[in-house]
Amino acid sequence: DTGVSQNPRHKITKRGQNVTFRCDPISEHNRLYWYRQTLGQGPEFLTYFQNEAQLEKSRLLSDRFSAERPKGSFSTLEIQRTEQGDSAMYLCASSSEEGRGTGNTIYFGEGSWLTVV
Amino acid sequence: AQSVTQPDIHITVSEGASLELRCNYSYGATPYLFWYVQSPGQGLQLLLKYFSGDTLVQGIKGFEAEFKRSQSSFNLRKPSVHWSDAAEYFCAVGVTGGGNKLTFGTGTQLKVEL
Repeated sequence: DTGVSQNPRHKITKRGQNVTFRCDPISEHNRLYWYRQTLGQGPEFLTYFQNEAQLEKSRLLSDRFSAERPKGSFSTLEIQRTEQGDSAMYLCASSSEEGRGTGNTIYFGEGSWLTVV
Repeated sequence: AQSVTQPDIHITVSEGASLELRCNYSYGATPYLFWYVQSPGQGLQLLLKYFSGDTLVQGIKGFEAEFKRSQSSFNLRKPSVHWSDAAEYFCAVGVTGGGNKLTFGTGTQLKVEL
């Protein structure tokens, strides 16, 4: 069990540029989540996948945000036309399916810091 | 919708003193409850969780938490704090059938004085 892996860990980009973050979940987990955390706040749910299906998206996820999990393994989160308000840490997490064994336990990665200048 | 309140934004304790971090939740049924710890610039590490059963749960690093349904609380405790415990602590609630989405509190920043 290597844990949830995210990269890049840090990204500085100019306003208007596109950025993409990658997440590799714990290998046996079929659920994958994206959260956003701004300074002084707790993480906020953005979206989650079960296998390759995106099952829910938060209202926080504007049209400029898109997430994919094409083969049900790793996931990418892309932000288009970045704005300064997008500066935050983007956290990925994974779990088994709810109700199965430790399925209700979510494990987080180290996060990807985005700074938009 | 569920919510979590962590009333203490900052707490300072002396090393070796006991610690209690407060967490209150709002949800109509029995929730899943979690405590995570976050060091600066890092992700979240799970300290402990409550799903059902015994209301006193033990976690890693000597932490424990008690679920009190009557008070809608899930306070985190440690009998003797170590300097390495300085970090931010988040309480979170998940709900049955909620897809394991978590709702987090705003966190409590713990400072440990030597």
